[in-house]
Amino acid sequence: EVQLVQSGAEVKKPGESLKISCKHSGDTFTNYWIGWVRQMPGKGLEWMGIIYARDSNTKYSPSFQGQVTISVDSSISTAYLQWSSLKASDTAIYYCARARDGLFYFDYLGQGSPVTVSS
Amino acid sequence: QSALTQPASVSGSPGQSVAISCTGTNSDIGGYEFVSWYQQHPGKAPKLVIYDVNNRPSGVSNRFSGSKSGNTASLTISGLQAEDEADYYCNSYTSTTRYVFGTGTKVTVL
Repeated sequence: EVQLVQSGAEVKKPGESLKISCKHSGDTFTNYWIGWVRQMPGKGLEWMGIIYARDSNTKYSPSFQGQVTISVDSSISTAYLQWSSLKASDTAIYYCARARDGLFYFDYLGQGSPVTVSS
Repeated sequence: QSALTQPASVSGSPGQSVAISCTGTNSDIGGYEFVSWYQQHPGKAPKLVIYDVNNRPSGVSNRFSGSKSGNTASLTISGLQAEDEADYYCNSYTSTTRYVFGTGTKVTVL
């Protein structure tokens, strides 16, 4: 059974750093691109960026370029999303999602990682 | 890259059909056959219901169908049921930023 299991809820202060994770199982990790999607409270889905698990080729939405870093550790089938200095506006639920190389849709998404940034 | 445009809400009675539009540009919907649709119930993760314009993943009801004409894609839900009440988002591959989501549509079953 394919699963994308994300790390749990986080509560952070502005200016702190954070790295959340997404562990893939049930299939060959390196056949997939892993993307990240933001959903701010009461709002819609926003595509942030995506990384190819085989070679770490990464593409960012212009809205998120320079604001976050996406990485992957293929040895443990896990993708990451990190911030070096959080802002209150980063408060949201973050979903990871996978797309098989050569295909252009997300067939599975993780359960979501809620992030709250508040002083 | 602006978000694809969807109506904020649509509604229908049980058994009726509703259609959700998703309008983009030649750089996304109009340029590729890579439109997908996601259903999101409150407090849950989104779930794929249509891919590549008009294909249903295994396990998704055949009451869901998709189409595309020019720069606009559509999701139709036939035989509306209470369980279809949710938010729906379109997504397209785009030559500029790789992917873009729609603004989202709330489907209400009256």
